[in-house]
Amino acid sequence: QQQVKQSPQSLIVQKGGISIINCAYENTAFDYFPWYQQFPGKGPALLIAIRPDVSEKKEGRFTISFNKSAKQFSLHIMDSQPGDSATYFCAPQEAGGYQKVTFGTGTKLQVIP
Amino acid sequence: DTAVSQTPKYLVTQMGNDKSIKCEQNLGHDTMYWYKQDSKKFLKIMFSYNNKELIINETVPNRFSPKSPDKAHLNLHINSLELGDSAVYFCASSRTSGGSLETQYFGPGTRLLVL
Repeated sequence: QQQVKQSPQSLIVQKGGISIINCAYENTAFDYFPWYQQFPGKGPALLIAIRPDVSEKKEGRFTISFNKSAKQFSLHIMDSQPGDSATYFCAPQEAGGYQKVTFGTGTKLQVIP
Repeated sequence: DTAVSQTPKYLVTQMGNDKSIKCEQNLGHDTMYWYKQDSKKFLKIMFSYNNKELIINETVPNRFSPKSPDKAHLNLHINSLELGDSAVYFCASSRTSGGSLETQYFGPGTRLLVL
């Protein structure tokens, strides 16, 4: 059962453009909504995260938008740069007890000069 | 200083062999994980340990056996390796406090190729 659906699978954006990646989930027990960034040959690393009590969080060029009723959250990268080229994963977590993280299928972003 | 380290970085072996991957974290975290990332980049949790106790054990062949000698180390032993075991294996750690939600820190990965 696929609990987390991420789209698109791949994305090519011009330098300076806006990159948008979406994540839809089914599990209403998810209570923490992070995005991880993975560069080739490296492990994933937390990029930005949001809790369900707010609808948007911005850190520099990165913004998470959260729609609890639609069970969706998205990552927006403003002024995309070639250095942003990586694979991005949404990874919602269940609250309480020990953490089980369900990773999305990943989005490979390529920012071209 | 490397927060989460794994050895070896690369592992090439023959089908049927037994191999181990080691993981160590120096972050003082009490929870550690093993993930498998396949060729399509899909990340799947395999196991999780909290203070040396197994807390998450996903549907993984019993050829895979984790072992946590202390809360800073989590090793993964794989018996009778199969072609389908070829993947990148990531170790991760996090601080856990009851219902508190903490970021996971990933190691650099071990690239396993079974021939």
